[in-house]
Amino acid sequence: SAVISQKPSRDICQRGTSLTIQCQVDSQVTMMFWYRQQPGQSLTLIATANQGSEATYESGFVIDKFPISRPNLTFSTLTVSNMSPEDSSIYLCSVSSGTVSNQPQHFGDGTRLSIL
Amino acid sequence: GESVGLHLPTLSVQEGDNSIINCAYSNSASDYFIWYKQESGKGPQFIIDIRSNMDKRQGQRVTVLLNKTVKHLSLQIAATQPGDSAVYFCAEPSGGYQKVTFGIGTKLQVIP
Repeated sequence: SAVISQKPSRDICQRGTSLTIQCQVDSQVTMMFWYRQQPGQSLTLIATANQGSEATYESGFVIDKFPISRPNLTFSTLTVSNMSPEDSSIYLCSVSSGTVSNQPQHFGDGTRLSIL
Repeated sequence: GESVGLHLPTLSVQEGDNSIINCAYSNSASDYFIWYKQESGKGPQFIIDIRSNMDKRQGQRVTVLLNKTVKHLSLQIAATQPGDSAVYFCAEPSGGYQKVTFGIGTKLQVIP
């Protein structure tokens, strides 16, 4: 399976600032996704990163708060904007080489974000 | 939709015993299911998947059972080892397009 690298692995940020998280894959993939995982909870999909077009956001997530880029088939970024303590979470990138209805997604190790 | 759990269910198992982790799914039209293992400080790792045309699938020390009648999945781990300690999630495609919904997860604690 693809090797997925996320940067940074963790960060501590001040409220009101923004942080951009990078996701790099070692091979071209069809689909890239961004998830949030709050402490002790399951994964919630933020958006699907679409190559060359705007991301597709899930209910409760908006582009102004979580702008996403995907300039090519191996790289994506997620920005967490104007951060507040409620944004303290693990942010995970995942990829799929086919459709997720018949192939598993594979995940990076996440970015652990704490907001003071 | 979203799957959010406030308190992870926990399963404690003696080392060497078998573990059974259960998952109920909601979409009767789902035809593909995945189990993930998430160790502390890491991302979810794919363990095994199963398609709806199967009732059972076996991997190395793991077996997934699918009961479509009651919309239930289980993951069985044989001869549980300390390295099996993790949170286990089931997942299914959802939403009518290419996304996946995760279950609330079960924390497996292996007692040496």
